[in-house]
Amino acid sequence: DGGITQSPKYLFRKEGQNVTLSCEQNLNHDAMYWYRQDPGQGLRLIYYSQIVNDFQKGDIAEGYSVSREKKESFPLTVTSAQKNPTAFYLCASSRAESSYNEQFFGPGTRLTVL
Amino acid sequence: GEDVEQSLFLSVREGDSSVINCTYTDSSSTYLYWYKQEPGAGLQLLTYIFSNMDMKQDQRLTVLLNKKDKHLSLRIADTQTGDSAIYFCAGRPGGGFQKLVFGTGTRLLVSP
Repeated sequence: DGGITQSPKYLFRKEGQNVTLSCEQNLNHDAMYWYRQDPGQGLRLIYYSQIVNDFQKGDIAEGYSVSREKKESFPLTVTSAQKNPTAFYLCASSRAESSYNEQFFGPGTRLTVL
Repeated sequence: GEDVEQSLFLSVREGDSSVINCTYTDSSSTYLYWYKQEPGAGLQLLTYIFSNMDMKQDQRLTVLLNKKDKHLSLRIADTQTGDSAIYFCAGRPGGGFQKLVFGTGTRLLVSP
């Protein structure tokens, strides 16, 4: 089955700790994305990557970092510099050459800072 | 940049039609999308419409696009309890990489 996996589903972190969220896809998509979802605010773009070894900041990149060393993997690190990290994090991917850019989403990781 | 607005909540009875509305600001949006999110899950694409179309129908779903008013709507015919979810409108502003801008989401509650 092709798809996107995110792990873990639930993550708890103490204040001041960095934490890394995993995102893997086997759809052979070039582009990958990280979104943050807060109640009543929709999805906001954190980082995106169009190709391996390249990524760009989205609208709310402060306090986050990413890497794209492999086509199928796009991990997100939530650093201690992120002031309010408790949220639902969604990873997505798409074919870069698709005219209508359907983005496929993973099941999400809910991060709670204690 | 693009701004996408939706009402937060809609409640309907099973069997009725549901209409979820969305307004956007960037007239250069080439595609507009409707995604569905079930509780605790990711988003799935329901349908999309290209900006040169006025209407698109796909089984129980009808999308209407009013480019003059920058208004998009999703009509779900014969709404079922399984349609209860959050529905997101998204736009793809023209130019550059194909980033999507999502609305706040409309929570649809279908009661028996």
